[in-house]
Amino acid sequence: DVKVTQSSRYLVKRTGEKVFLECVQDMDHENMFWYRQDPGLGLRLIYFSYDVKMKEKGDIPEGYSVSREKKERFSLILESASTNQTSMYLCASTTNRDRVPEQYFGPGTRLTVT
Amino acid sequence: AQSVAQPEDQVNVAEGNPLTVKCTYSVSGNPYLFWYVQYPNRGLQFLLKYITGDNLVKGSYGFEAEFNKSQTSFHLKKPSALVSDSALYFCAVRDGGTYKYIFGTGTRLKVLA
Repeated sequence: DVKVTQSSRYLVKRTGEKVFLECVQDMDHENMFWYRQDPGLGLRLIYFSYDVKMKEKGDIPEGYSVSREKKERFSLILESASTNQTSMYLCASTTNRDRVPEQYFGPGTRLTVT
Repeated sequence: AQSVAQPEDQVNVAEGNPLTVKCTYSVSGNPYLFWYVQYPNRGLQFLLKYITGDNLVKGSYGFEAEFNKSQTSFHLKKPSALVSDSALYFCAVRDGGTYKYIFGTGTRLKVLA
């Protein structure tokens, strides 16, 4: 069974802290994505990576960075957490072996910044 | 620019009745369209996708979607709703020129017993 896992289901951090969210997939997928989900706004793409050490900004990259040192792992970093980064964060992956692949999602991390 | 719209924030339907969740799209090339479902406190699960060919696409859990090019729509349907179908549903389109996927704002489906 294919799997995308995220390091935490729930996380509470303080304003100004550096926050790491980790995502691991076991499907040997080339592409990985980080989204944030907010009510009424749907999913918004923060960053995606199409290969190890490669990354591209999504629609809302400000305040975030990413790291992809290994194919299976894609980390999202909040350099200095702020209250407006309180959200649900979803990781996803896709394969290049399919011409139009569907995304496989992790269970999400609900981050609260106080 | 590619976009999708889900005009209804919430849809209520009685158990056993047919359900429809609406999605319209705007793309510059061939539309690659997807439906996902999200149960409470879970990630999104893939239901079905349209690439080309038959306008009626069948997917998981008895869901299907009808692609209509002239109306630029891709509505999700099920002949007989179950209470367990209650969830948040997202329509998405693949940006053909990139790896990106663009999601609608979601429609909450409530199936009433």
